[in-house]
Amino acid sequence: LAKTTQPISMDSYEGQEVNITCSHNNIATNDYITWYQQFPSQGPRFIIQGYKTKVTNEVASLFIPADRKSSTLSLPRVSLSDTAVYYCLVGVPNAGNNRKLIWGLGTSLAVNP
Amino acid sequence: NAGVTQTPKFQVLKTGQSMTLQCAQDMNHEYMSWYRQDPGMGLRLIHYSVGAGITDQGEVPNGYNVSRSTTEDFPLRLLSAAPSQTSVYFCASSDGIRDSPYGYTFGSGTRLTVV
Repeated sequence: LAKTTQPISMDSYEGQEVNITCSHNNIATNDYITWYQQFPSQGPRFIIQGYKTKVTNEVASLFIPADRKSSTLSLPRVSLSDTAVYYCLVGVPNAGNNRKLIWGLGTSLAVNP
Repeated sequence: NAGVTQTPKFQVLKTGQSMTLQCAQDMNHEYMSWYRQDPGMGLRLIHYSVGAGITDQGEVPNGYNVSRSTTEDFPLRLLSAAPSQTSVYFCASSDGIRDSPYGYTFGSGTRLTVV
């Protein structure tokens, strides 16, 4: 059964680097890996997207190994405002030539002073 | 630029009542979708649309109807509300089905309680 697996929760302190890994054992060949951030009472917000190797933007980096069966979201020097739930989203093969999007259940990150 | 706007933000329904959750986007996105979010279940796709006049079912479509008469609007209808439909509902849009470099833009959600 295709699924994604993420840690349920993580704790960190301000200024530290946080790495959240998502395992996706059946990712579709041509699909991207996308990460979202969600604050309470808000919709998820796009953070970063990648296909392979490493992608970096102004808020995060995404590391994807060659087999693409996992991905790691890296948040450099977190602050209290990074306390949120982080979701990975991947596409997996579905019936026929279709692909199905699979959301992880989210990792609740708590950043402490 | 408002992005994705959902109304209402909160709603309480009695079992058997009907209502429509509104979703509008001003980004000229072709793809729009509805998700429900429940504790421990993550985000589950209800219905989606790849353009005006085209809709399809997602993972959990039972009890919900949608239509897409314009690019901007994608309302979700509950014909006969049930307590199992108590959830937070999110509308999302994208300029591509899956491969948009910027992913989905989500609304702020509608918290629905069915009693």
